[in-house]
Amino acid sequence: SAVISQKPSRDICQRGTSLTIQCQVDSQVTMMFWYRQQPGQSLTLIATANQGSEATYESGFVIDKFPISRPNLTFSTLTVSNMSPEDSSIYLCSVETGRTNEQFFGPGTRLTVL
Amino acid sequence: TQLLEQSPQFLSIQEGENLTVYCNSSSVFSSLQWYRQEPGEGPVLLVTVVTGGEVKKLKRLTFQFGDARKDSSLHITAAQPGDTGLYLCAGAPGTALIFGKGTTLSVSS
Repeated sequence: SAVISQKPSRDICQRGTSLTIQCQVDSQVTMMFWYRQQPGQSLTLIATANQGSEATYESGFVIDKFPISRPNLTFSTLTVSNMSPEDSSIYLCSVETGRTNEQFFGPGTRLTVL
Repeated sequence: TQLLEQSPQFLSIQEGENLTVYCNSSSVFSSLQWYRQEPGEGPVLLVTVVTGGEVKKLKRLTFQFGDARKDSSLHITAAQPGDTGLYLCAGAPGTALIFGKGTTLSVSS
């Protein structure tokens, strides 16, 4: 398993601004992921954060809106750009340890956009 | 599109009752995971099933993987208020996990 922390745990932001969410893992991992969980919903994968190369985005998510950095094997950031109220969600990072697709999640960042 | 259909979506029961949550797909998965999420926290991995027909037990929780590896179930015996939470099944048809819509379980004392 892995211990994952996220900052901030929650934030309230104004429309049109951007927020960067940090994800720190206590060990080196190859695969890191970013998910969005809208209120009362399940998890939707935003992108896979690749170390040393651009993130791989899922359908419906673009780099201009959700730029991702992965400077090393223990850290990643997700920026939510030019926010609107529709971006209000919980954003979660996760890591895969290599065993049968098992993933371990951070505690999430609860974002409210006014 | 490969989907995981989870049912029921909501379940409200009394302490001591038994329940079963189902996760179904038309696609074959190499493995399926079950997660539990409490409010304000990230999902926590409960179990991974990899072999068709496999049954795993975790205290009062029993997980089964279908013979064809297209479906799975979670059975809770004698539910307790501490079992309250969102239960999610997830599978990886490729490299990325896809999640079912989840089952919100509420157990009253």
